[in-house]
Amino acid sequence: DTEVTQTPKHLVMGMTNKKSLKCEQHMGHRAMYWYKQKAKKPPELMFVYSYEKLSINESVPSRFSPECPNSSLLNLHLHALQPEDSALYLCASSRDYTYNEQFFGPGTRLTVL
Amino acid sequence: QKEVEQNSGPLSVPEGAIASLNCTYSDRGSQSFFWYRQYSGKSPELIMSIYSNGDKEDGRFTAQLNKASQYVSLLIRDSQPSDSATYLCAVDIQGAQKLVFGQGTRLTINP
Repeated sequence: DTEVTQTPKHLVMGMTNKKSLKCEQHMGHRAMYWYKQKAKKPPELMFVYSYEKLSINESVPSRFSPECPNSSLLNLHLHALQPEDSALYLCASSRDYTYNEQFFGPGTRLTVL
Repeated sequence: QKEVEQNSGPLSVPEGAIASLNCTYSDRGSQSFFWYRQYSGKSPELIMSIYSNGDKEDGRFTAQLNKASQYVSLLIRDSQPSDSATYLCAVDIQGAQKLVFGQGTRLTINP
C-alpha cells in the first residue's frame, strides 16, 4: 500500500471545466511534487513545495495552479485545459528537498475532451 | 548531452538470467541516484537508492555506482516475468531541488 494517496484515480473533463486533483502523504515528509507523465516518457516535474515554499517549472502553463493547504496535502487546480494536457498526473513526496528519495502516489489519469 | 541517459531498449532477457540496466549522467556533483520500476499504466515505484561508490544489494537487485565514470547500473538476478516493466534511472541534480529522470529502459523477461 502506498503512503501517498491521490484522488481521483481517473478524471474526464471538458476544456471549459474547473477541476482539482488531490494528494496526501502520510510519511511526515516536508517536500511534495507534482509531475506530468505522457505515454512512453519519463515524469516531467511541474511544481515543488518544500517547507511551504513553492518552486515552479516555468514551462508549466498558468492553467495549472498548485495549492498546499498544509505540509501533508497538495492540490492541483485545473482550468481551461487543452486536449494535449491529457496525461498521468503524479504526486510524490520526499523527506525534504535535500534528501530527494521520492515516493510516488498511484497517479490520476486525466483525459481532456 | 542529456543530463541522464539510458538505453531505451527494449531489452529482452530469458527467465532466470541476469538483466543489466545502465545509466550515465552528466552532473559531476550529483550525490544521490535512484532506480524506479514502472509497470504499464502504473506509477513509478522506488526499488533502489544508492549514494556511495560500489555495490548495494537488496534481494535480487544490485545497484552499482561509479562516480568517477558517472555511471550507475541495476542488475536483476534470477529474472522473473514479473520483472517485465520500464526501469527509470533518476539522479538528484545538486542544488536543483529536483530529480532528473532518464528516458527509461523497457525490460521484457521471456518465460
